[in-house]
Amino acid sequence: GAVVSQHPSWVICKSGTSVKIECRSLDFQATTMFWYRQFPKQSLMLMATSNEGSKATYEQGVEKDKFLINHASLTLSTLTVTSAHPEDSSFYICSASSGTGGGGQYFGPGTRLTVT
Amino acid sequence: DAKTTQPPSMDCAEGRAANLPCNHSTISGNEYVYWYRQIHSQGPQYIIHGLKNNETNEMASLIITEDRKSSTLILPHATLRDTAVYYCIVLLIRTDKLIFGTGTRLQVFP
Repeated sequence: GAVVSQHPSWVICKSGTSVKIECRSLDFQATTMFWYRQFPKQSLMLMATSNEGSKATYEQGVEKDKFLINHASLTLSTLTVTSAHPEDSSFYICSASSGTGGGGQYFGPGTRLTVT
Repeated sequence: DAKTTQPPSMDCAEGRAANLPCNHSTISGNEYVYWYRQIHSQGPQYIIHGLKNNETNEMASLIITEDRKSSTLILPHATLRDTAVYYCIVLLIRTDKLIFGTGTRLQVFP
């Protein structure tokens, strides 16, 4: 099946710094990638949708200047958490869709961010 | 997008069939039913999806009622590794967005 990777798998950073998370589709071209956030014991919350070569579309309530998304190629999307604060500590998960129909998405393993 | 309703938790004995129900009474004709599961601290895993017909793959079977207002995911022989949170999601193909609800926490016990 399709494989999506994320890097890093976990990261600890200091408050005020920025962190970049990479999401790669390893064996297919992802026309669309999605970013989710998950707090402990809660469900996944969709943050934004990105299409290759265009600006990301953010869900209501998600700050686009804080969560910068770049989808420069059909196999790579990045999420940068700028000026991170402890409340940004969460599990960040990406998914990718090949857009071939059926709507299925393949998820990465997630990145656990801890801001101290 | 249509909303789904699932029981918060279920138990199942190892080796028995696990039947996970989902209500999606506001589903429209061009919306698919998708099932994903999430094992603790991992990304969600695709299980199966369907539009109106019943579907089966190597992981599970999906039974969709004739009026499409509800569905059941069946794991025919549950194992301890099937312990996870199972999400039923209704997807509008043109948006490709998955909106996760609270899911069903399935606990498989020996």
